[in-house]
Amino acid sequence: DIQMTQSPSSLSASVGDRVTITCRASQSISTYLNWYQQKPGKAPKLLLYAASSLKTGVPSRFSGGGSGTDFTLTISSLQPEDSATYCCQQSYNTPFTFGPGTKVDIK
Amino acid sequence: QVQLVQSGAEVRKPGASVKVSCKASGYTFTSYGLSWVRQAPGQGLEWMGWINPNKGNTDFAQRLQGRVTLTTDTSTSTAYMELRSLRSDDTAVYYCARVGDRSEYYFDYWGQGTLVTVSS
Repeated sequence: DIQMTQSPSSLSASVGDRVTITCRASQSISTYLNWYQQKPGKAPKLLLYAASSLKTGVPSRFSGGGSGTDFTLTISSLQPEDSATYCCQQSYNTPFTFGPGTKVDIK
Repeated sequence: QVQLVQSGAEVRKPGASVKVSCKASGYTFTSYGLSWVRQAPGQGLEWMGWINPNKGNTDFAQRLQGRVTLTTDTSTSTAYMELRSLRSDDTAVYYCARVGDRSEYYFDYWGQGTLVTVSS
């Protein structure tokens, strides 16, 4: 199985800050990497797919990049509603696996 | 708009079975795959398997093979996940999620989740 790791596990930042989360795969997954946002008690929401494609309706302050084993999710200007846990998911092969998540808090 | 509405919370004893439903609306049910993902309390997301509602073919996480069955009823646009021989570590919120693209395999819409509690 492909193992996914994320760093940091949590972070605290101020409104307007630029925030970057890293996701790493245990083997190359090309760009088969998706990002989700999850708020407490709610289902995850898709933010980006194929490493860098923004889902329709997701604010443009979210962006993604990377290929192979190393990927990033960037929030260009953190907003209060962005307080959530963010996790990556590889869709290169089954079993599809998720990263453990990065919890983002607002200072 | 696309919606996935799941059945309500369940409580089961160890060794029992549970069947969770997921009713889809707002799109052509047979045109998209459906995955099931679970999340134990305080833990990350775990992919369980997926089903192609058009052909009925499935794929599962190996650790659940033999205990999970995925089915669909295309007449009601409803998917079902049955988990047998329940253990305490099966306690989790179970989500259905639509597969947005069969080549990129991302989950673009999710159900609200169904809490399954396994306790004696």
